[in-house]
Amino acid sequence: DAGVIQSPRHEVTEMGQEVTLRCKPISGHDYLFWYRQTMMRGLELLIYFNNNVPIDDSGMPEDRFSAKMPNASFSTLKIQPSEPRDSAVYFCASRRDRDVTDTQYFGPGTRLTVL
Amino acid sequence: GEDVEQSLFLSVREGDSSVINCTYTDSSSTYLYWYKQEPGAGLQLLTYIFSNMDMKQDQRLTVLLNKKDKHLSLRIADTQTGDSAIYFCAESPRNTGFQKLVFGTGTRLLVSP
Repeated sequence: DAGVIQSPRHEVTEMGQEVTLRCKPISGHDYLFWYRQTMMRGLELLIYFNNNVPIDDSGMPEDRFSAKMPNASFSTLKIQPSEPRDSAVYFCASRRDRDVTDTQYFGPGTRLTVL
Repeated sequence: GEDVEQSLFLSVREGDSSVINCTYTDSSSTYLYWYKQEPGAGLQLLTYIFSNMDMKQDQRLTVLLNKKDKHLSLRIADTQTGDSAIYFCAESPRNTGFQKLVFGTGTRLLVSP
């Protein structure tokens, strides 16, 4: 298996632009998680899905952030409009419902820089 | 609360043992985890321990769990420069339905030759 795939790996954009981050979870995994990592706040859970349905979006910082999972193999995290304080590394992770250890598998991340 | 606490930084010399400590809050967590993050990469599961165990050993890694004190530690024997990374402990609390992981702040391990 290729593991969790994220694209792009790096994104540089200007304030006010729309940014879309993409994630392909591991095949057969039922849960998908979006995290944000910054030096100041560490690793924060933004939202997670179970069987393509958003379960908890309480970590989404504000309405500028939205996430979708149209099918079991694809999810997007969109920021519109982007701001410099959104600069961070965004990780996607997935896990199987039947994995009793609840282990999450992380993608390599997307490093976002908003100028 | 859901605060998982770790010291921020640890520096050791190559060949020494490293011990990274963590305190967690939810005694109902079934599993506790150690993840490793190398520069520019995502988090990678290192090991986990079931909550009814006191110790788990996996090659150079030893995990110790003290449920009474809610204390978790990771010992790396014969630490190598390739072990330099950020190490996160995590728990899966009952109040999240065991669906979410709550991560600590991470401990940056620096191994010098």
